[in-house]
Amino acid sequence: NAGVTQTPKFRVLKTGQSMTLLCAQDMNHEYMYWYRQDPGMGLRLIHYSVGEGTTAKGEVPDGYNVSRLKKQNFLLGLESAAPSQTSVYFCASSPVLAGDFKNIQYFGAGTRLSVL
Amino acid sequence: GESVGLHLPTLSVQEGDNSIINCAYSNSASDYFIWYKQESGKGPQFIIDIRSNMDKRQGQRVTVLLNKTVKHLSLQIAATQPGDSAVYFCAEKYNNAGNMLTFGGGTRLMVKP
Repeated sequence: NAGVTQTPKFRVLKTGQSMTLLCAQDMNHEYMYWYRQDPGMGLRLIHYSVGEGTTAKGEVPDGYNVSRLKKQNFLLGLESAAPSQTSVYFCASSPVLAGDFKNIQYFGAGTRLSVL
Repeated sequence: GESVGLHLPTLSVQEGDNSIINCAYSNSASDYFIWYKQESGKGPQFIIDIRSNMDKRQGQRVTVLLNKTVKHLSLQIAATQPGDSAVYFCAEKYNNAGNMLTFGGGTRLMVKP
């Protein structure tokens, strides 16, 4: 039972380089999310998706793009990396809200990104 | 703006004692709350949740208490063990925010042997 899998686990970029972070979930969840986590701060939502082919901006979307071409995958792209994007990135997924209002998001292990 | 926050950034307890981690929230429209545990180098892991129409919910060694009058949430861990050492986050869901959660800054729990 893999759950949510993120690749790569670590990456070092130079300013201006681009990269894509991959998130895959095997729980058939409709919703997927990308967060960043900085020291001493909580998780901040970058982008999210409520289903295949749909994406929406979160709290801190600038400098990032996302795509959800397949239900199980959610990609986070950095077109031109900046030192301010040095962070730990977490992907999460959750099922469609049921009548009981639950919203348990299941997280991956994270990607540690350093931009020099 | 509305925010979720924690009173104590670090909590140190003796193994076997009970732990209480607190969280203050300011959005009275929140209808659902959740606690996560994050161990070093890992992603957040679900612990327990509670809806706003409840004031207490119990799990295995954990209890969440919700006081809507003072907008306060707490996580109680009974008989704290070394494996409980981690950062604990609370999160809230506004009742008009779909599946979006707003996370607090986290509290580090350190268990002394």
